[in-house]
Amino acid sequence: GEDVEQSLFLSVREGDSSVINCTYTDSSSTYLYWYKQEPGAGLQLLTYIFSNMDMKQDQRLTVLLNKKDKHLSLRIADTQTGDSAIYFCAEADSNYQLIWGAGTKLIIKP
Amino acid sequence: NAGVTQTPKFRVLKTGQSMTLLCAQDMNHEYMYWYRQDPGMGLRLIHYSVGEGTTAKGEVPDGYNVSRLKKQNFLLGLESAAPSQTSVYFCASSYQGDQPQHFGDGTRLSIL
Repeated sequence: GEDVEQSLFLSVREGDSSVINCTYTDSSSTYLYWYKQEPGAGLQLLTYIFSNMDMKQDQRLTVLLNKKDKHLSLRIADTQTGDSAIYFCAEADSNYQLIWGAGTKLIIKP
Repeated sequence: NAGVTQTPKFRVLKTGQSMTLLCAQDMNHEYMYWYRQDPGMGLRLIHYSVGEGTTAKGEVPDGYNVSRLKKQNFLLGLESAAPSQTSVYFCASSYQGDQPQHFGDGTRLSIL
């Protein structure tokens, strides 16, 4: 079946850029999403990209989609301590059901 | 604007007990979803609904039942709780199936 994979951890220094990567297997994906989960909280939609787009930028966030390699990335510029969270990648299959990655925990070093 | 509200936020049950989790949304969304989140895993879809009066099975439906009698509410029931159902449960809603899902804050359920 379809699968979404992410690294479990990423450690960056405050002020640097963070790049969180995600790979997926479903070539019929329609939308791809990035969600953020802070400790003890629900999931907050950060951004999403339609499958016919290559890039989307929203303030400090840049999403890059390589459909050929089925690779999605989220770049956070000027990473701050408030960016500490778990980041989930998800793809919407042809039935619009979301297939989720296991999440990447972003750790910010001072 | 409350968005998606889940009650209760925490609950401890004994094996074999039953309970119902309530999800309410005030965004007039058609689609509603119940997920469970376990450590080191992504979210897994339990059941979902594409409109009032409809329900459908997701990836892990066994041991759960749902009802969508009103458009704004989606109930998740555990008839006979088992320790394997210890998890964090999230409800989400979306305007349509191809629109982003909005999540509640979760219900932390422990089954002893």
